[in-house]
Amino acid sequence: EVQLVESGGVVVQPGGSLRLSCAASGFTFDDYAMHWVRQAPGKGLEWVSLISWDGGSSYYADSVKGRFTIFRDNSKNSLYLQMNSLRAEDTALYYCAKDFSSGWYGGDYFDYWGQGTLVTVSS
Amino acid sequence: QLVLTQSPSASASLGASVKLTCTLSSGHSSYAIAWHQQQPEKGPRYLMKLNSDGSHSKGDGIPDRFSGSSSGTEHYLTISSLQSEDEADYYCQTWGTGIQVFGGGTKLTVL
Repeated sequence: EVQLVESGGVVVQPGGSLRLSCAASGFTFDDYAMHWVRQAPGKGLEWVSLISWDGGSSYYADSVKGRFTIFRDNSKNSLYLQMNSLRAEDTALYYCAKDFSSGWYGGDYFDYWGQGTLVTVSS
Repeated sequence: QLVLTQSPSASASLGASVKLTCTLSSGHSSYAIAWHQQQPEKGPRYLMKLNSDGSHSKGDGIPDRFSGSSSGTEHYLTISSLQSEDEADYYCQTWGTGIQVFGGGTKLTVL
């Protein structure tokens, strides 16, 4: 059974930093690209970032480019999101999601999601 | 620009059927989409992928009550024999190299 478990969400002040983690199990983690998606309170889904199976390629939404960094540790079956220069508008539930395709095709749709971890940016 | 448009809300009675629509931006009719369900206070769940030719593939354990179809830039999710647990937000997703796009979501109310 595929499981994705996010952690690391807390209350942080504007301008602060935070690292989110996603522990993956139930599939061969280093075969698949992975994503971060967020959902602000009462709002829809917003894609944040994508990383290839080997970490060699990554992409970001314009709203986080230059502030967030996605990376992974395949030896630990874990995905991470380093978030710097946080703003109030970054307040959201952050989900990690598994890409459907094994290998690298520039990203595909998501076939599994985690339950999310809440990040609140507030003074 | 790659954009997906969904109606904000829909409603149907228990036991009835409902058809939700996701519209791709002009010039992007060849793109596939995926449908996801988000029940209240839960993470999203993948339902199915819909190709531009109308063929689809479902996620694990998705009931036969959920089906999909396509016509040009419009993609549909049909839910038959509506049950109370189908009350949820439904999002469509599309993608290209290094980009992922979601529709704004449709909130389905089961009456």
